[in-house]
Amino acid sequence: SQQGEEDPQALSIQEGENATMNCSYKTSINNLQWYRQNSGRGLVHLILIRSNEREKHSGRLRVTLDTSKKSSSLLITASRAADTASYFCATFTGGFKTIFGAGTRLFVKA
Amino acid sequence: DTGVSQNPRHKITKRGQNVTFRCDPISEHNRLYWYRQTLGQGPEFLTYFQNEAQLEKSRLLSDRFSAERPKGSFSTLEIQRTEQGDSAMYLCASSLPGTPYEQYFGPGTRLTVT
Repeated sequence: SQQGEEDPQALSIQEGENATMNCSYKTSINNLQWYRQNSGRGLVHLILIRSNEREKHSGRLRVTLDTSKKSSSLLITASRAADTASYFCATFTGGFKTIFGAGTRLFVKA
Repeated sequence: DTGVSQNPRHKITKRGQNVTFRCDPISEHNRLYWYRQTLGQGPEFLTYFQNEAQLEKSRLLSDRFSAERPKGSFSTLEIQRTEQGDSAMYLCASSLPGTPYEQYFGPGTRLTVT
């Protein structure tokens, strides 16, 4: 079963706009990560936020984490056509297991 | 290229046949993971190795599935008597022991069972 639920399932925006994706999860976590997957390819790790952090930035990415609401958001600013991909949140609860959500499919129109 | 590699990239097989996939992790990574991903879903954990030891198996991994990592380097995932429901992308990932959550994924093997 998948722990994370992403919202929206799909998002279509114009190049230059910002894209926001949300993730909710069910159990306590050590950290939460966001991955990107281009069509037919493997996943690429984007950013990790630890359970004691509230916000993190990396380039055009901004991630927030609210452990009281068991939710996270990923903001991509000034989107580009190359950002078109599926984005997954993944939670790590310790040990070895990383659990992925169902993903948000982002389409950026040039 | 020193990333995770998987072979073959695509496999089409008839129902009832056996298939085997290979994963070569990043050389210094002692942890190796197999995931299955169906269309429109995120990856689902199948199994995990630390060196050559298989330490965890998901209940998704039926008796028809077996995975090995004989020398703690590459790994193989075999599916016996394939069924149409086995059609999926099979992803392999590896990580360093100190950062098990920072997994590096291969491009995957897409299996189609006809």
